[in-house]
Amino acid sequence: GQSLEQPSEVTAVEGAIVQINCTYQTSGFYGLSWYQQHDGGAPTFLSYNALDGLEETGRFSSFLSRSDSYGYLLLQELQMKDSASYFCAGGSSNTGKLIFGQGTTLQVKP
Amino acid sequence: DAGVIQSPRHEVTEMGQEVTLRCKPISGHNSLFWYRQTMMRGLELLIYFNNNVPIDDSGMPEDRFSAKMPNASFSTLKIQPSEPRDSAVYFCASSLQDTAQETQYFGPGTRLLVL
Repeated sequence: GQSLEQPSEVTAVEGAIVQINCTYQTSGFYGLSWYQQHDGGAPTFLSYNALDGLEETGRFSSFLSRSDSYGYLLLQELQMKDSASYFCAGGSSNTGKLIFGQGTTLQVKP
Repeated sequence: DAGVIQSPRHEVTEMGQEVTLRCKPISGHNSLFWYRQTMMRGLELLIYFNNNVPIDDSGMPEDRFSAKMPNASFSTLKIQPSEPRDSAVYFCASSLQDTAQETQYFGPGTRLLVL
């Protein structure tokens, strides 16, 4: 089987840094993706990690440790518009078949 | 590009009726995915196609659900007969290739309510 675990909710203040963790259990592993979904909207791609280490894209960074079956999404300089749900997703084969975590709802407060 | 297009955006129907959801992927994308999202079960992959061929339908709930992709620019997801527990948001997504690192581009979704 395959599963990805994330916290259900995270709250932070504007301008702060927040880290959203994701642990996974898979029979195989082909990278960890992160998607953002605003309330009522569609998921949109944020990042993909195939190898260990940190990938940075502007204010967002994503980290992967394959030995620990763990990854995280780091959001810096939080803005109100970052309030959304964030999903980690992984696959057990090198195909587009992704299993999504249950999502973490981030609330950014003034 | 217009992105992934889904129709209808909202559907309200009565139990027992047939429901057909439609999707037009991004031009040039070879893979198409159908997802269902509910509060209880999260975002679930129902089925996906590569080059118009169904690759994995292990997420299709039961025989009431069927999906087709007659050509590279069109796919349907049909529920017959529909039941109240099918109420959910159904997303279609497409990607360039069927690999783990490819970005999946999601459509706006169809919000289905079965009464």
